Amino acid sequence: NAGVTQTPKFQVLKTGQSMTLQCAQDMNHEYMSWYRQDPGMGLRLIHYSVGAGITDQGEVPNGYNVSRSTTEDFPLRLLSAAPSQTSVYFCATWDGVITEAFFGQGTRLTVV
Amino acid sequence: GNSVTQMEGPVTLSEEAFLTINCTYTATGYPSLFWYVQYPGEGLQLLLKATKADDKGSNKGFEATYRKETTSFHLEKGSVQVSDSAVYFCAPNTGNQFYFGTGTSLTVIP
Repeated sequence: NAGVTQTPKFQVLKTGQSMTLQCAQDMNHEYMSWYRQDPGMGLRLIHYSVGAGITDQGEVPNGYNVSRSTTEDFPLRLLSAAPSQTSVYFCATWDGVITEAFFGQGTRLTVV
Repeated sequence: GNSVTQMEGPVTLSEEAFLTINCTYTATGYPSLFWYVQYPGEGLQLLLKATKADDKGSNKGFEATYRKETTSFHLEKGSVQVSDSAVYFCAPNTGNQFYFGTGTSLTVIP
């Protein structure tokens, strides 16, 4: 039982490149979210999903796309990376019934 | 809207000192309240939670009480250890989302 798996753990991109951060969960949770963590800013919500086929924007969605074709997977796409997207990205999932959220180990992204 | 105000860090304490990290929130509805902890290089993990007014969440010697009248959920520990060095996040949840504070970095020195 892996819980929440994020890949890759580390990534360096050049400005303008695209990439997809993967998030997979095996807990059959409906709710999934992507956060970015920056020094002094805490965790800020990028996008979230309340079930397969349903996504919505969070606090800082610009420059990111998401889709949710299955319950298990919630990939985050950067279409044209910018240095301002250098951050640590966390995926989280929960069942939507006010129980705890489970987090992946994070992806440390550097855009040069 | 929903927001969280958390005590700014960093906080440095000597081992066995008393710890308080303040957290107040604004939220629509009646949130459940959580404290998460992040150890260096890791993701966040649940420390404790409380789901209704006057509930006390506790774990690993940490405690926090849900104070609806003051919209607060302050984290306390009577005697910190070096192993408690981490970043602590307060996070209300109204059902749709978790809202995180900025985090408070704690360093405990021997």
